[in-house]
Amino acid sequence: QQQVKQSPQSLIVQKGGISIINCAYENTAFDYFPWYQQFPGKGPALLIAIRPDVSEKKEGRFTISFNKSAKQFSLHIMDSQPGDSATYFCAASAQGSARQLTFGSGTQLTVLP
Amino acid sequence: ETGVTQSPTHLIKTRGQQVTLRCSSQSGHNTVSWYQQALGQGPQFIFQYYREEENGRGNFPPRFSGLQFPNYSSELNVNALELDDSALYLCASSYQGYNQPQHFGDGTRLSIL
Repeated sequence: QQQVKQSPQSLIVQKGGISIINCAYENTAFDYFPWYQQFPGKGPALLIAIRPDVSEKKEGRFTISFNKSAKQFSLHIMDSQPGDSATYFCAASAQGSARQLTFGSGTQLTVLP
Repeated sequence: ETGVTQSPTHLIKTRGQQVTLRCSSQSGHNTVSWYQQALGQGPQFIFQYYREEENGRGNFPPRFSGLQFPNYSSELNVNALELDDSALYLCASSYQGYNQPQHFGDGTRLSIL
């Protein structure tokens, strides 16, 4: 059962534009929401993460918006650059001994020069 | 600071064989998690090791097993390989504790013929 739904599956943005990726979750026990960036042939790299007591978190050009009541969160990439072209995964984990990450299905972002 | 390293980078096996994948955790990290990433999908949690014991397990059969050593490095063993086991196997290390970020290696690409 997929517990984190991610959209869109692919996204094409012009250089300088804003990229927006959305995720929705079902498990109300989730309390940690990271975003990962993955380039071909590489492992996922942690970009930014948020907890549900915060509605927004910004790090450089990357912003997470979090809506606890709607059980949705999104990644905004401002001033998108060709070097941002990669696959982005949202994830979530719940309090517990393992705190395993449940990942979305990924968004392939292409930023055109 | 040394990141997460995995070996080998690529591996080709045939159905029914057994395989061992290795992971060295990031310096100081005491927890290792393993994930399976099928082509075009998000990583799926296999299991986690902490203090040399399995600390949580995803929906994977017992033929997937692991070990953690006193230096926090880890092995993933898969017996009786099936065609569907073809995937990128990712190792992630972290500190044990609330919302500790998981840092991934670049994975081992396993192909089953």
